[in-house]
Amino acid sequence: DGGITQSPKYLFRKEGQNVTLSCEQNLNHDAMYWYRQDPGQGLRLIYYSQIVNDFQKGDIAEGYSVSREKKESFPLTVTSAQKNPTAFYLCASSITLAGVSSYNEQFFGPGTRLTVL
Amino acid sequence: DAKTTQPNSMESNEEEPVHLPCNHSTISGTDYIHWYRQLPSQGPEYVIHGLTSNVNNRMASLAIAEDRKSSTLILHRATLRDAAVYYCILRDEGSGGSQGNLIFGKGTKLSVKP
Repeated sequence: DGGITQSPKYLFRKEGQNVTLSCEQNLNHDAMYWYRQDPGQGLRLIYYSQIVNDFQKGDIAEGYSVSREKKESFPLTVTSAQKNPTAFYLCASSITLAGVSSYNEQFFGPGTRLTVL
Repeated sequence: DAKTTQPNSMESNEEEPVHLPCNHSTISGTDYIHWYRQLPSQGPEYVIHGLTSNVNNRMASLAIAEDRKSSTLILHRATLRDAAVYYCILRDEGSGGSQGNLIFGKGTKLSVKP
């Protein structure tokens, strides 16, 4: 089946440690995204990538880093510089970044819930 | 992207229709109206989108006001599985780059009673 996978579902880390969240898609989508969601809040964009080897900062990129070496993969590293990393992290992909076609929905993964102790 | 305003929460009874409103008074001519929903502890999923005309799909209907300053997502017969947070989002489809990103607000939390 085609889709987006994120692993692990739950992740615990000690304060001060870097941690990398996995995101893989087999939808052949060019664009990929990382969002953060805090309890009772909407999603906030961390980073996005239009194509391999290219990525752009979103609204809350500080303390995070990404790479896009392969079309299928867009891992997110939460660094020790992120002051409040405990959150629900969601990865998404779409055919392209913006609407060259009006039907350009984003497909989301199941999320990774990160808790920093 | 233009902002949207949605009620924080709504309640519905199972098997009854649900009308979820969204105000977007500053919508521009190239903004599409998108609806996503997020079930508990899951990622959001696409529901429907439209520009000017009303739209129907297997999940829901989207009614867009003539002046496009408001829209309503209609679930024709709510089920318990429809309990979720529903997000109304405007996205400028007329430009590339960051203007094409979806901006999720807090949405409307829909509760469905049996």
